[in-house]
Amino acid sequence: AQKITQTQPGMFVQEKEAVTLDCTYDTSDPSYGLFWYKQPSSGEMIFLIYQGSYDQQNATEGRYSLNFQKARKSANLVISASQLGDSAMYFCAMRGFSGGYQKVTFGTGTKLQVIP
Amino acid sequence: EPEVTQTPSHQVTQMGQEVILRCVPISNHLYFYWYRQILGQKVEFLVSFYNNEISEKSEIFDDQFSVERPDGSNFTLKIRSTKLEDSAMYFCASRGTSGRSSTGELFFGEGSRLTVL
Repeated sequence: AQKITQTQPGMFVQEKEAVTLDCTYDTSDPSYGLFWYKQPSSGEMIFLIYQGSYDQQNATEGRYSLNFQKARKSANLVISASQLGDSAMYFCAMRGFSGGYQKVTFGTGTKLQVIP
Repeated sequence: EPEVTQTPSHQVTQMGQEVILRCVPISNHLYFYWYRQILGQKVEFLVSFYNNEISEKSEIFDDQFSVERPDGSNFTLKIRSTKLEDSAMYFCASRGTSGRSSTGELFFGEGSRLTVL
């Protein structure tokens, strides 16, 4: 079984500051993928960033970077230079490549609010 | 850019009625999913579908639910007899196996909001 934990139900950040959203996971699969999705108030799910369990480098996509610490089973999302449009729910998710191959499991989400 | 489309965007139904939610996945994708999100809560996996059959389903996906790919483009979720607790946003997602989708990223539709009265 795979499990994703997001312990921060809500976060505030000042505009232009960086913020880290926490995500820890648990899986017995040797190979897996970790994702972050953004869900604005309009409701759609927007893919942000992906990290494979065997990737040597931490993933980066523009202002988004994933702080992947495999030994700690954490995959925190770092948003640099926050913008007002970053206010949204953020979901960490994991896909297993064996056993749970066909399923992506989501965490409970973190609501980020960017303050002007 | 190709996208997943869902209809209807919002449906209101009476308890006990049948509902069909429709999805058109991205055309060259092979894996299809339904997720649901009760307002303000987590995104819950319902079912995955590959090669014209269910590959995995959650405990939520009981006998009241069914999925079908009636033709080469649509992927539907049917709820046979809706209950109040079925009120949620239902997301369809699809995944390819190559190119940009080689990460296994799920492409989500914009969701269908179901309200059961």
